[in-house]
Amino acid sequence: DAGVIQSPRHEVTEMGQEVTLRCKPISGHNSLFWYRQTMMRGLELLIYFNNNVPIDDSGMPEDRFSAKMPNASFSTLKIQPSEPRDSAVYFCASTRDSSAYGYTFGSGTRLTVV
Amino acid sequence: KQEVTQIPAALSVPEGENLVLNCSFTDSAIYNLQWFRQDPGKGLTSLLLIQSSQREQTSGRLNASLDKSSGRSTLYIAASQPGDSATYLCAVPANQAGTALIFGKGTTLSVSS
Repeated sequence: DAGVIQSPRHEVTEMGQEVTLRCKPISGHNSLFWYRQTMMRGLELLIYFNNNVPIDDSGMPEDRFSAKMPNASFSTLKIQPSEPRDSAVYFCASTRDSSAYGYTFGSGTRLTVV
Repeated sequence: KQEVTQIPAALSVPEGENLVLNCSFTDSAIYNLQWFRQDPGKGLTSLLLIQSSQREQTSGRLNASLDKSSGRSTLYIAASQPGDSATYLCAVPANQAGTALIFGKGTTLSVSS
């Protein structure tokens, strides 16, 4: 398996623009997580899905953030409109049946909003 | 609310030295604790997972221990190598229902040759 695949790897955008981050989990993994990493706050959970259903979105910072998982092999995280404080590395992770074993992270998307 | 703290934030050692990384958590009612490694510009890789019923786990030169009652875990690295240079993060489940994790901010280790 190619692992958790995220795209793009880097994104630079202007304030106010819409940004869409993409994630393909490992085949057979039915739990998917979006995290954000900054120097100040470390890694923070934004939202997680189980069997394509959002379970906990309490970490989503504002209404500007939204996430979808239309099928078992694809998820998106959208920011609209983007702001400079959204600059961070966004990670997607997946695992099987809510197990802590096999927790696998993607390589992340580094987002810079100027 | 569960909080995870890692001290020190950074550590530099010469090659060959044994070292210990520390992790503490505020709520001892955890199901497990996991140690991850993060290389610059990369995602996280799981190193060791300790279930709440276990005291320690070993993988090669790595040994992780867990003391739930005191809210502490340590990651012991034996005979450190330059290739061990990375950031090490510990994490515990956010709740009983799922595997969303709460992370410490990590310890950045630098091993010089």
